[in-house]
Order: sequence, then C-alpha cells, then structure tokens
Amino acid sequence: DAGITQSPRYKITETGRQVTLMCHQTWSHSYMFWYRQDLGHGLRLIYYSAAADITDKGEVPDGYVVSRSKTENFPLTLESATRSQTSVYFCASRGQGSYNEQFFGPGTRLTVL
Amino acid sequence: GQQVMQIPQYQHVQEGEDFTTYCNSSTTLSNIQWYKQRPGGHPVFLIQLVKSGEVKKQKRLTFQFGEAKKNSSLHITATQTTDVGTYFCAYMTTDSWGKLQFGAGTQVVVTP
Repeated sequence: DAGITQSPRYKITETGRQVTLMCHQTWSHSYMFWYRQDLGHGLRLIYYSAAADITDKGEVPDGYVVSRSKTENFPLTLESATRSQTSVYFCASRGQGSYNEQFFGPGTRLTVL
Repeated sequence: GQQVMQIPQYQHVQEGEDFTTYCNSSTTLSNIQWYKQRPGGHPVFLIQLVKSGEVKKQKRLTFQFGEAKKNSSLHITATQTTDVGTYFCAYMTTDSWGKLQFGAGTQVVVTP
C-alpha cells in the first residue's frame, strides 16, 4: 500500500549539474503533476501528464524536463540546476472520475549550491 | 488566468478559539478544494465544494462556497494544537487536464 512515493527525499547538488527527481504511484492514476513549493508562492505547477507519453507545461516549466514512459512513473529532470531551483518538490496524482482529489507524495527537498 | 487570494496569510490562534480563513477570486469558480499541510509534510485533501452556497462540515471544520461562487471560507471552531499547519484553497481548471491552481495558503499557529 505504498501509494505515491518520491525519491530522493533530500538532495544537495551544485549549480550546473543534472538532477532527476523520481515519482512513483501504485494506483494506476492517469494524471500526474509536479509542483514546487517556495515561501510566499504556495504550490506552483511545473509539468503535468494525462497519461503515458502525454505531458504539458505548467506555470513554471523553464529549466525542467519530464517524461512518462510508464503510467506509474513521472520523473522530473533539472537539466542544469540553478540556485533558484532550490525548493521543495511535490509530485501528485489523480484518478479519472467525478471526484477530483489529488494525492501528494512526501516531497523532495532540493538544495542547489 | 484565474487566481485565488487567501487571507489572512498568517493566523495566530489561542487554543480553544475559533477562526476563519478566506479564499477569494475575481471570477466565478467551477469548484473549490481545500488542502491541509502540516509542518514538514505534504498537502492532504480535505474537501471539494462545487455548488453555489454549499456548506460542508467535518467535525470542527466548516467549509462554505459563496453564492456567487467567487469565494470560499474555512471556519475552525475550538482550535486544537492538531490544527497547526497551512491551509490551501485551490480550484480545478475546467479543461480536460483538470489542473489545480493553488492560493498562497494561510499558515495557522496555535498557542496552548
């Protein structure tokens, strides 16, 4: 009964490095989302996906890349990390149907030095 | 696009007191959701409201959707230390993606 998991939970990296944050859900939910959370900004949508191989940009996509080759996985890659990408990253998923609750993973705290 | 504004940004409450946090939009919303995030935790869904004037209760929490569907409120009675956290409102877009647009949240601190 893992639900939705994220790895790593904590990551420290240096400016310019590539970093991949993993997200895995066991519910076979169609929809998956990546958010970043910064003080004073709440949760901002980075990318989202409606199904395998169907993704689109959210509010703050610059500097990020996603892929979704399998329904259960939705990795987020920072191609060349910058200090402004220091944040807490949450992955979320939602099933199809009339009730629209999103389920959030535990988050990854990323620090870019 | 549409935005939702939450007030207040911070709320200090004495244990046992009541308080209300508000979520306002300049345009009509099709729905509103509320989430709670405990310190160091992740957002957890509380409720969804879709009907004009809808009121829903969860124990000491009362959620309301305005008649014009432009605002919503969360009222907590007899605040407890377990109510500490940040409360977010969010609306889901009506396109096929169903993305959530979050407010900035109300951070609640409870003093014993």
